[in-house]
Amino acid sequence: NAGVMQNPRHLVRRRGQEARLRCSPMKGHSHVYWYRQLPEEGLKFMVYLQKENIIDESGMPKERFSAEFPKEGPSILRIQQVVRGDSAAYFCASSPRDSLYNEQFFGPGTRLTVL
Amino acid sequence: GDSVTQMEGPVTLSEEAFLTINCTYTATGYPSLFWYVQYPGEGLQLLLKATKADDKGSNKGFEATYRKETTSFHLEKGSVQVSDSAVYFCALSSFNKFYFGSGTKLNVKP
Repeated sequence: NAGVMQNPRHLVRRRGQEARLRCSPMKGHSHVYWYRQLPEEGLKFMVYLQKENIIDESGMPKERFSAEFPKEGPSILRIQQVVRGDSAAYFCASSPRDSLYNEQFFGPGTRLTVL
Repeated sequence: GDSVTQMEGPVTLSEEAFLTINCTYTATGYPSLFWYVQYPGEGLQLLLKATKADDKGSNKGFEATYRKETTSFHLEKGSVQVSDSAVYFCALSSFNKFYFGSGTKLNVKP
């Protein structure tokens, strides 16, 4: 049973470009979470999605950031017009549909570097 | 709102020393509590969990007990190894949302 998959593992963008980060949850998991980790810091919640629905986006910056989890395919975190401050590790986590305790399983992360 | 506070690091220990990393939480309702570990360049791995008061989670020699009266979930290990060097995150889960502490870096010297 494959774990949570994220790609790319490393992404380099120049200021003003777009970054698209992909996350495939574990098989049977329908809940996806995105987190951002700045260097030497903890994880900050960004968004919680279920298939075709955004459940909680209270941690998403108001501009340039968007997320989706379509019926088919991976979840996508999209950052438009990237700036240097977007450089961070972005982690995706997934949990099962009926998880009583909401244990989350993390992917290896995408490390975004903005030049 | 819900939150987790854990001791700041880094924590530096010699091999075979006793480890305690403090974690306290604030939550409405009845959260589940977790410890995750992050090795350099990797994602977070679940280390242990406890889902109700007085539960003890344990794994790989690490233990933590869910203490409702003190709202704590301290991580302990009796004898650390160099391979335990990593960043440890305390977390709580409440209403489908996770709250993470800021992480504690552990350095174990041979």
